[in-house]
Amino acid sequence: DQQVKQNSPSLSVQEGRISILNCDYTNSMFDYFLWYKKYPAEGPTFLISISSIKDKNEDGRFTVFLNKSAKHLSLHIVPSQPGDSAVYFCAASSTFTRNAGKSTFGDGTTLTVKP
Amino acid sequence: DADVTQTPRNRITKTGKRIMLECSQTKGHDRMYWYRQDPGLGLRLIYYSFDVKDINKGEISDGYSVSRQAQAKFSLSLESAIPNQTALYFCATSDPGQGAGGANVLTFGAGSRLTVL
Repeated sequence: DQQVKQNSPSLSVQEGRISILNCDYTNSMFDYFLWYKKYPAEGPTFLISISSIKDKNEDGRFTVFLNKSAKHLSLHIVPSQPGDSAVYFCAASSTFTRNAGKSTFGDGTTLTVKP
Repeated sequence: DADVTQTPRNRITKTGKRIMLECSQTKGHDRMYWYRQDPGLGLRLIYYSFDVKDINKGEISDGYSVSRQAQAKFSLSLESAIPNQTALYFCATSDPGQGAGGANVLTFGAGSRLTVL
């Protein structure tokens, strides 16, 4: 059973427009959610996170929204730039379980921003 | 130098061979992880270590073993490689105390691409 799901394998947007990447989770024990960005031939790098006690966190052009009742989060990128083209992974972790600190990842969404 | 260094970056081997992937970090983090990525899939946890004396299996540990030689070094071994272990392997570290708002932020190496023929 996949606990973190990114249902859109790919997304294409025009430069300057908004990119919205979605993520759903099933485990109610998750209390932190993170987004990582991965370029080809590189490891993933941390982008932004949100605690389950919040519903929004913003960092520059990147905003993450959390809807706990729907077990859904989304990453908004405004405005999108060609350099944002990458694979974006959603990840979740819990500080409550015996193995706190383990991160569970979604399958990723490949974002392409067209000039 | 990179914070997390993985060697080798690419390796082609044959079925049945023993392979070791090495990871070293300069972050000073206690926690280290090995993940595997297959095409179109996310990262799946193989093993993790929260300190030198603590090693735990992840969700896909069968066929793999690890060694935490020091705080800075965490190696992954395939005792007898098989073709379905062909994948991209990532080492990562974390320090929850330094995470963004308490989140356990992972710092990844650049990856080791392993092909088993």
